[in-house]
Amino acid sequence: DAGVTQSPTHLIKTRGQQVTLRCSPKSGHDTVSWYQQALGQGPQFIFQYYEEEERQRGNFPDRFSGHQFPNYSSELNVNALLLGDSALYLCASSWRTPSYNEQFFGPGTRLTVL
Amino acid sequence: GENVEQHPSTLSVQEGDSAVIKCTYSDSASNYFPWYKQELGKRPQLIIDIRSNVGEKKDQRIAVTLNKTAKHFSLHITETQPEDSAVYFCAASVGFSGTYKYIFGTGTRLKVLA
Repeated sequence: DAGVTQSPTHLIKTRGQQVTLRCSPKSGHDTVSWYQQALGQGPQFIFQYYEEEERQRGNFPDRFSGHQFPNYSSELNVNALLLGDSALYLCASSWRTPSYNEQFFGPGTRLTVL
Repeated sequence: GENVEQHPSTLSVQEGDSAVIKCTYSDSASNYFPWYKQELGKRPQLIIDIRSNVGEKKDQRIAVTLNKTAKHFSLHITETQPEDSAVYFCAASVGFSGTYKYIFGTGTRLKVLA
């Protein structure tokens, strides 16, 4: 059973460019959350997708957008990249339940903006 | 607002000693509290979790306690070993109706000295 996978592993972009990160959830999971982890900090929630819709969003600007596909995989898009967007981007998948949900993290994509 | 405070930020212990990391959360509706261990360059790995209807949970050398009234929860590692050295994050699950996100603490860098 494959766990959460993300691609690419590493990415280098320049300011102003756009980037797309991809995530495949753990088998059986239907919900995908994205987190940004800057160096030396804890992960910060970006947004969560379920049934192809954004269900909840953290304090991130509209430059951050996403998508979920019918097979539950997801993309994170960041436009007009800033130096401060350099971080490890983590995808977490879970199975939607009425109460809490245990989230499983992928290996992350390390984005460097020059 | 939603917040999780974590202390200390760094912790050095001698091998064989115990380590305690403490977290405080702000949202009284939080009902699930996972702890993650993150080694350099790797994804956060769940090491133990606790639900709001339980006061304590133990798994071999690791234990977590929860005080809902005070909104505190703590991680206890006994008989520490060099391989326990890593950054540890606490988190609180926040949300409603099946849509939950994690609010992470700022992390504790644990060093176990041989």
